[in-house]
Amino acid sequence: GNSVTQMEGPVTLSEEAFLTINCTYTATGYPSLFWYVQYPGEGLQLLLKATKADDKGSNKGFEATYRKETTSFHLEKGSVQVSDSAVYFCALKKAAGNKLTFGGGTRVLVKP
Amino acid sequence: DTAVSQTPKYLVTQMGNDKSIKCEQNLGHDTMYWYKQDSKKFLKIMFSYNNKELIINETVPNRFSPKSPDKAHLNLHINSLELGDSAVYFCASVRDSDTGELFFGEGSRLTVL
Repeated sequence: GNSVTQMEGPVTLSEEAFLTINCTYTATGYPSLFWYVQYPGEGLQLLLKATKADDKGSNKGFEATYRKETTSFHLEKGSVQVSDSAVYFCALKKAAGNKLTFGGGTRVLVKP
Repeated sequence: DTAVSQTPKYLVTQMGNDKSIKCEQNLGHDTMYWYKQDSKKFLKIMFSYNNKELIINETVPNRFSPKSPDKAHLNLHINSLELGDSAVYFCASVRDSDTGELFFGEGSRLTVL
């Protein structure tokens, strides 16, 4: 079946540091890939997405590239802020159907 | 205006009780979901409805029963609550399932004592 594996957190960084959160997936066919972010006390919200191989999703300074050869969708940000402290979820959705499969989430804590 | 709203936000109850969580979306979406998030933040899909029809029913105990009176509402009723039911339950909806962009409610934290 489909699955998503993320690096375990927490990830603790200083402000302006470089952030990478690894995500790899297992799926048949060509799924769409997503990053969702959950700020403290809130629901999840879409951060970025990519729907086919080599696509790059970007938003709020975050980027992730759909790498089919390595089945990965790593999230990066060049200079994090305290406000980026949150839990980040990688997810995939197969081309057919409406089920979104999430990874286990990675907590990121950015210190001033 | 809140797009996906859940009530109650917090619920504390005793083992064996029956409780319900309500969800409403004002986005005009056709598909709604219930997800369970455990203490380690792991998120697992429970149910999905499309236009009041059940389309996803993961391996969830029969004590959990979703009900969708119309496509804007998806409620979750839980019978005979157990300690392991303690979690945050998230409702979500999507306009076009192919985009995968789910809109989530703020969650309902259930604590079973």
